[in-house]
Amino acid sequence: ETGVTQSPTHLIKTRGQQVTLRCSSQSGHNTVSWYQQALGQGPQFIFQYYREEENGRGNFPPRFSGLQFPNYSSELNVNALELDDSALYLCASSLVPEETQYFGPGTRLLVL
Amino acid sequence: DAKTTQPPSMDCAEGRAANLPCNHSTISGNEYVYWYRQIHSQGPQYIIHGLKNNETNEMASLIITEDRKSSTLILPHATLRDTAVYYCIVRSQYNFNKFYFGSGTKLNVKP
Repeated sequence: ETGVTQSPTHLIKTRGQQVTLRCSSQSGHNTVSWYQQALGQGPQFIFQYYREEENGRGNFPPRFSGLQFPNYSSELNVNALELDDSALYLCASSLVPEETQYFGPGTRLLVL
Repeated sequence: DAKTTQPPSMDCAEGRAANLPCNHSTISGNEYVYWYRQIHSQGPQYIIHGLKNNETNEMASLIITEDRKSSTLILPHATLRDTAVYYCIVRSQYNFNKFYFGSGTKLNVKP
């Protein structure tokens, strides 16, 4: 059974650019959640997708958006990148929203 | 959602039990206690969770006090590979789409 995978592993962008991060959920999981983890802090919830619909959002501006596809993989898009967007972006999948979340290895984004 | 309080760091000798405390004094009846750990720069790893009763699995044991205001994660025989940041999270049974991680406890297992 394949776990949660994320791509790319590392990414460097400049301020003002746009970025797309990708996540493949664990087999059989229809729910994907995204988190941002700044250096030295715990992960912060961005939003969750369940059956291709947004199912809750944390305190992040609209320039953070997402998609979930029919195969339940997901994308996180960030527009107008700011220096403070530099972080580890984590994706987690679960069987359904109320079940345990399992995390991928993360994508490390550096904004210059 | 209930907030959790954890010590910022703890030390443990290799081979001994590591007991990691967590306070969640505002927890409500429908909220679960979850534990995850994060080894440097990797994704968080699920360890265990519980509602009221103590739980045990192949990784750890979770002891929840009777009033549910605190819990302890026990790693029975800590190894160097258990060095990580351990997060205690309280999660609503109904508002389940949000995990609030907090700052966690850095466990240092020493030889």
